Amino acid sequence: DGGITQSPKYLFRKEGQNVTLSCEQNLNHDAMYWYRQDPGQGLRLIYYSQIVNDFQKGDIAEGYSVSREKKESFPLTVTSAQKNPTAFYLCASSITPRGGTGELFFGEGSRLTVL
Amino acid sequence: AQSVTQLDSHVSVSEGTPVLLRCNYSSSYSPSLFWYVQHPNKGLQLLLKYTSAATLVKGINGFEAEFKKSETSFHLTKPSAHMSDAAEYFCVVRPTTGTASKLTFGTGTRLQVTL
Repeated sequence: DGGITQSPKYLFRKEGQNVTLSCEQNLNHDAMYWYRQDPGQGLRLIYYSQIVNDFQKGDIAEGYSVSREKKESFPLTVTSAQKNPTAFYLCASSITPRGGTGELFFGEGSRLTVL
Repeated sequence: AQSVTQLDSHVSVSEGTPVLLRCNYSSSYSPSLFWYVQHPNKGLQLLLKYTSAATLVKGINGFEAEFKKSETSFHLTKPSAHMSDAAEYFCVVRPTTGTASKLTFGTGTRLQVTL
């Protein structure tokens, strides 16, 4: 089955540690996205990538980093510079950035808790 | 500029009764509009989308929504609620010619279904 796989599902981190969240897709989609979700808020865009080896900052990129070395993979690193990292993180993809209707396909999310 | 307002943060209905989740939008451009559903600790799944074709849009699981330009609304309805409909619902807006990176999410409406 095609889809997006995020891992780990739950992650605990001590303050000052960097952590990396994995996102892999086998949908052959060009574009991939990372969103952050906090209770009572909509999704906020952290980073997105429209093509391999290229990515752009979203609305809340500070304290995060990404890479896009392969079409299938778009890992997100939450660095120690992120002041409030406890959140639910969602990875998504779309067929192309402009093609189709812009529908996003989501993974099941990773819940990060800072102890 | 664009924005989306979900008028109710929480809606409670009895099983078998109609569902109405309200969404108003603001967009400088002709918008595309989406409703997504999220079950607890899961990713988002597309329910339906409006992309400037028919104003009454039918989606999965018996949901539908009507685009009303004069009222800048895109309310989600279902004739008869089922227990499995209990989830969080997000209204999303995007400029028709924009990329998926330009999606704006509402803050969500939590639907509770009681016996």
